[in-house]
Amino acid sequence: EAGVAQSPRYKIIEKRQSVAFWCNPISGHATLYWYQQILGQGPKLLIQFQNNGVVDDSQLPKDRFSAERLKGVDSTLKIQPAKLEDSAVYLCASSHPWGRLVEAFFGQGTRLTVV
Amino acid sequence: KQEVTQIPAALSVPEGENLVLNCSFTDSAIYNLQWFRQDPGKGLTSLLLIQSSQREQTSGRLNASLDKSSGRSTLYIAASQPGDSATYLCAVTNDYKLSFGAGTTVTVRA
Repeated sequence: EAGVAQSPRYKIIEKRQSVAFWCNPISGHATLYWYQQILGQGPKLLIQFQNNGVVDDSQLPKDRFSAERLKGVDSTLKIQPAKLEDSAVYLCASSHPWGRLVEAFFGQGTRLTVV
Repeated sequence: KQEVTQIPAALSVPEGENLVLNCSFTDSAIYNLQWFRQDPGKGLTSLLLIQSSQREQTSGRLNASLDKSSGRSTLYIAASQPGDSATYLCAVTNDYKLSFGAGTTVTVRA
């Protein structure tokens, strides 16, 4: 089965510019996550979708970050305007809960550098 | 709020030595725990998944134990190899949400 696909792999932008990341989860996975991973730290959840709906976006900086998941499949994460501290790896993951069992699968990530 | 801690932050061992990586969590009401491997600049690769009702899980040279009541998991890697050099992260699931530790960066010296 195909894994989680993310694009682009790398992106360099200037501060105050905008950027968008795309994620295609594993087919049939209802749950989709976006994580931000700053160098040397563990991944931090930005937003979690269950099908089309948002389950948790409590740590998403909503003044500059937005995310959508159309038709419960692909998702896009946008940053506008970007700040230097947004430099990080953005990871997308998906899972298909079996009862309470949740096994998450991750994409390769997008490394964002804001200069 | 679930807090996940991994100690040590970094570990360097000679090839052939066994590795012991620790993960602790504050809320023991977890559904499952997952161990991941991350190579530099790459995404996360799932290594082992332990359900809350299990005490351990094994895959090849990897063995993970879970003591839910004390909020701890340990990942053992037998007979380490230079190819095992990577960052290892644990993540716990509560209410369908994953919480991660900061990881342990392992270097296996040839």
